[in-house]
Formats: sequence, C-alpha cells, structure tokens
Amino acid sequence: GAGVSQSPSNKVTEKGKDVELRCDPISGHTALYWYRQSLGQGLEFLIYFQGNSAPDKSGLPSDRFSAERTGGSVSTLTIQRTQQEDSAVYLCASSRLAGGSWGNEQFFGPGTRLTVL
Amino acid sequence: QKEVEQNSGPLSVPEGAIASLNCTYSDRGSQSFFWYRQYSGKSPELIMFIYSNGDKEDGRFTAQLNKASQYVSLLIRDSQPSDSATYLCAVNPLSSASKIIFGSGTRLSIRP
Repeated sequence: GAGVSQSPSNKVTEKGKDVELRCDPISGHTALYWYRQSLGQGLEFLIYFQGNSAPDKSGLPSDRFSAERTGGSVSTLTIQRTQQEDSAVYLCASSRLAGGSWGNEQFFGPGTRLTVL
Repeated sequence: QKEVEQNSGPLSVPEGAIASLNCTYSDRGSQSFFWYRQYSGKSPELIMFIYSNGDKEDGRFTAQLNKASQYVSLLIRDSQPSDSATYLCAVNPLSSASKIIFGSGTRLSIRP
C-alpha cells in the first residue's frame, strides 16, 4: 500500500477486556513506532521496532501493554485488562531507516481511536 | 527542561500574513528535525524536514535551523485558513538516536 494502515479505525470495549490494534507499515520501511495521543495532548512514545533488533519498550506505560512485529512487517499492539485511562488514539508510524540523517522521517497511519467504557 | 519545547499557542495570524512557529531543543547533538501538521481529529502529517543549518524552502513553507542556538522554526507565507492546525516540532536527538522526540505542538489559527 501507499501509506501506513491501521485497523480498526475505532474500537469501543468494556473495562477489563483485551484489545488488539494492528499496524501495517509502508513497504520497505524497517522501523515501526507506536504512539498514544490523548485528547488535546501531545504524542506519547510507546514502543519502537527496528529490523530484527530487540524492540525499545521504554515507553510502555504498564505490563498490560505489549507489542510484536512479525516478519519485520505488520505489528500488533495488545492491551490486556483495559482501563478507562487507556482511552486514546493509538498511532503507528514507520520510517525507512532509524536514527542519524536522511531516511528517518516518520509517516503516520490514521490511528485507532480506543474507547474503554 | 523538556527535550523539545514549543509555545502551545494559540497563535492567531491574519490571512495572507506570514506565520512563524518556533521550537527549541535541548540535545545539542541532535541531527534531524521535522515539522508535522495535525488537523483536529487527524494523524500528524510530515510537511518539512531539515538536517543542515540554514533555510530549506518548499512552496509556502520555509524551515530554518540554527544548531548553535538550538532552535528550529517554520515560516508559512501567504497563510490560508486551511493552514489552521496544530504544528508539531520533532527532533532526532543524539541521546536517543533511534527515536524522534515530539514537542507538544503549537496551535495555529488563520483568521480571514
């Protein structure tokens, strides 16, 4: 595809349920990032994948959050036992490279709006 | 001190004027710098990136980088109502070379 895609676009769930959010990066992009954006707030970094390297999980807010990237392409962000404070827009971005100059511009998907009732 | 700082605004500019958005960063070794535009309810959209000191122009947009003073700015010439959005400054710091750190954004409003 031409851009980063995410699914679902909207997800409403009940407190305590698990959810899975999917990200399909731009073909050929080696780096993939997950961010969270609460209403009216800035971007909160969650996790980063680069090629076959171990992911940088330093932004995950709790052990209820996990993510994986299979085959260096599609990524899934899983939130277990969702809480109301997890309600936010979850954004995925990919870049051709990571770090340094040139090629590390990030391109964002449309996001998944998660609402926890 | 925040790694990337922006004035939250709102910045109100009359249509046709130049809008000037500023951003400072703390990591002197930062290597690449980005400006994203985010409309309400939408995801950020990359509009400019700059790696070297000086100016980079693209249409009505000019990014300016001054590494000695650790600031990057975005100028929008001939501002249009469609430019009304939140503008996010982002920096790739040397301390976290694999990440891009985003500022909290400046809300720009172009008044007709």
